[in-house]
Amino acid sequence: GENVEQHPSTLSVQEGDSAVIKCTYSDSASNYFPWYKQELGKRPQLIIDIRSNVGEKKDQRIAVTLNKTAKHFSLHITETQPEDSAVYFCAARLYTNAGKSTFGDGTTLTVKP
Amino acid sequence: DTAVSQTPKYLVTQMGNDKSIKCEQNLGHDTMYWYKQDSKKFLKIMFSYNNKELIINETVPNRFSPKSPDKAHLNLHINSLELGDSAVYFCASSQGRGPLGYTFGSGTRLTVV
Repeated sequence: GENVEQHPSTLSVQEGDSAVIKCTYSDSASNYFPWYKQELGKRPQLIIDIRSNVGEKKDQRIAVTLNKTAKHFSLHITETQPEDSAVYFCAARLYTNAGKSTFGDGTTLTVKP
Repeated sequence: DTAVSQTPKYLVTQMGNDKSIKCEQNLGHDTMYWYKQDSKKFLKIMFSYNNKELIINETVPNRFSPKSPDKAHLNLHINSLELGDSAVYFCASSQGRGPLGYTFGSGTRLTVV
């Protein structure tokens, strides 16, 4: 089955700096890669996603890149703000099946004012 | 007009008791999931139903029994609760086929004492 590894497990940055979280996946058939943000005590929420036929996708201060050959994808947050502090999860799935998403173990991002 | 609603939000119970968690989605999604989030924040899938049919049943003890009366509802019944069952349980829904992420419920924090 799919295995997703996520690094780092914790990340601390100064407000205004950039943050990068990296994930690798094992199943080359996976073709959909969402990212979720979970604030303390709340539910995970989808913040951005990318399909395998796209190399990069941006949405304001966040972007995701995908390298299919190397089987890794990354989340980039620019101009970080204190409200970006949360746990971020990457995931991988095959979207042609009614199957599951396999999640990474999460990255706790702390943005210091 | 909550998209995925989950009840109860908190559940404190004694070892050996039986309890249920209910989930309902109004998004018209055809697939629903139960995920367990432990104290380390890891998200692990337990079950998945597609159009009321069980399609994923991870290695979960038989004490956990899901039930989907229709594609908008997915309940979780737990028998003979143990201390190790303490966790946050998230319901989620998505379109089983298609590049769509999950919409999570608000979670049920189960504490077994």
